[in-house]
Amino acid sequence: ETGVTQSPTHLIKTRGQQVTLRCSSQSGHNTVSWYQQALGQGPQFIFQYYREEENGRGNFPPRFSGLQFPNYSSELNVNALELDDSALYLCASSQDRGKTGELFFGEGSRLTVL
Amino acid sequence: AQSVTQPDIHITVSEGASLELRCNYSYGATPYLFWYVQSPGQGLQLLLKYFSGDTLVQGIKGFEAEFKRSQSSFNLRKPSVHWSDAAEYFCAVGEADSWGKLQFGAGTQVVVTP
Repeated sequence: ETGVTQSPTHLIKTRGQQVTLRCSSQSGHNTVSWYQQALGQGPQFIFQYYREEENGRGNFPPRFSGLQFPNYSSELNVNALELDDSALYLCASSQDRGKTGELFFGEGSRLTVL
Repeated sequence: AQSVTQPDIHITVSEGASLELRCNYSYGATPYLFWYVQSPGQGLQLLLKYFSGDTLVQGIKGFEAEFKRSQSSFNLRKPSVHWSDAAEYFCAVGEADSWGKLQFGAGTQVVVTP
C-alpha cells in the first residue's frame, strides 16, 4: 500500500509570502490531520479534514487554512508568513477520523521563513 | 484542558541496557494514550496505544507501556535497547471522537552508546 507522501520536502519563503503544502493520504484513508512541529518541540495539531470537511481545529489563526479533495489528498495553506511559522509540517492520514487510534505520518515539509 | 509532560528532554543509554521514558498526562476523563517514535528524517510511527482494559500494553519493536491512573502516567519501557532505538520519542493523549487531534509532549531524545 502507498504511504503518506508530502511535498515539497523543503522550502524557503520570506515574511509576508504565502505557502501551500501538499499531502497524499495513504490508500483507503479518508481523514487527514495536519501538525506543526517547531524545532525541539512536539507536534501541535492544526486541523483535521474528514471527507472534505474540516473536522476540528487547534489553536492556530485563520491564516492557516486547508482543503481536502475528493481523492482525500489535502493541502495546507499559510498566508502572510511570519518568522515563527518556520517549522516541520506533518500530515497524518487515518481512517474515519482516526478512530483506530493510529495516525500514519508523512516525513513532513520543512518550511523556513526568512 | 489536556496536557502531556515528558520530564526528560534527553536520555543516554548503553546498548543492551534497559530504557524507561516517562510520560505524565493531565486529562479529566479516561485518556487515550499513545507513544510515537520519530527517527531522523522520518515521520512519526506509532509504537503502542492504550484505550482501555489491560494497563500493560505491548507494542512494536519490543516496547511496552504501563498506564497508571493513580499517578497519571504512561511510561514506556524496553528491556534491552538496540542501537536502532536511537530516536525521539513522543507521548500523546487523545480523546474519543477526536482521534486525529492528539496532544503531544515535547519529546525525549534517546541516544544509544556502544
